[in-house]
Amino acid sequence: DIQMTQSPSSLSASVGDRVTITCRASQAINNYLAWFQQKPGKAPKSLIYAASSLQSGVPSKFSGSGSGTDFTLTISSLQPEDFATYYCQQYNSYPVTFGGGTKVEIK
Amino acid sequence: EVQLVESGGGLVQPGGSLRLSCAASGFTFSDHHMDWVRQAPGKGLEWVGRSKNKANIYTTEYAASVKDRLTILRDDSKNSLYLQMDSLKTEDTAVYYCARGMDGGSGWWTFDYWGQGTLVTVSS
Repeated sequence: DIQMTQSPSSLSASVGDRVTITCRASQAINNYLAWFQQKPGKAPKSLIYAASSLQSGVPSKFSGSGSGTDFTLTISSLQPEDFATYYCQQYNSYPVTFGGGTKVEIK
Repeated sequence: EVQLVESGGGLVQPGGSLRLSCAASGFTFSDHHMDWVRQAPGKGLEWVGRSKNKANIYTTEYAASVKDRLTILRDDSKNSLYLQMDSLKTEDTAVYYCARGMDGGSGWWTFDYWGQGTLVTVSS
């Protein structure tokens, strides 16, 4: 199975900050990497697929990059509605696997 | 508007069975792979399995942790996805989400829409 490692596991940031979350795959996954946002008690929401393509309706403050084994999710200017947990997911091979999550909290 | 609505969760004893349903609307169900993803209380997301679309002859894929105990079924005539859960263990306690598959590049599928989830508690 491909292991997905996110870092950091949590971070504290202020409104307006630029935030970057890293996801590393245990082997190359081309660009078959997605990012999801989850708020407490809610279902995950799809943000990005194919490492850098925004899902429909997702604001452009979110961006993704990377290929191979190393990927990043960047939020350009953190807003109150962005405080949540973020997960990466590889879909290059079965089983589909997720990273452990990064909780973004208010400083 | 795409909608996915799960139902069927509840309390079940270890070794018991349960069947979850996911009612889909707003899209051509047979065109899409459909997945189940679960989340244990306070934990991260875990992929359970997939029912591929009609073009892929509805084949299924499963996580090793659930293979031979959990079975994904679909009924395209009812736009519905099911998760038949047998021989349940306490570690199967989780919120179960259905998710619509989308082609995330060159025929490799991820998810775009998620249901609200249904809670399954396995306890004596």
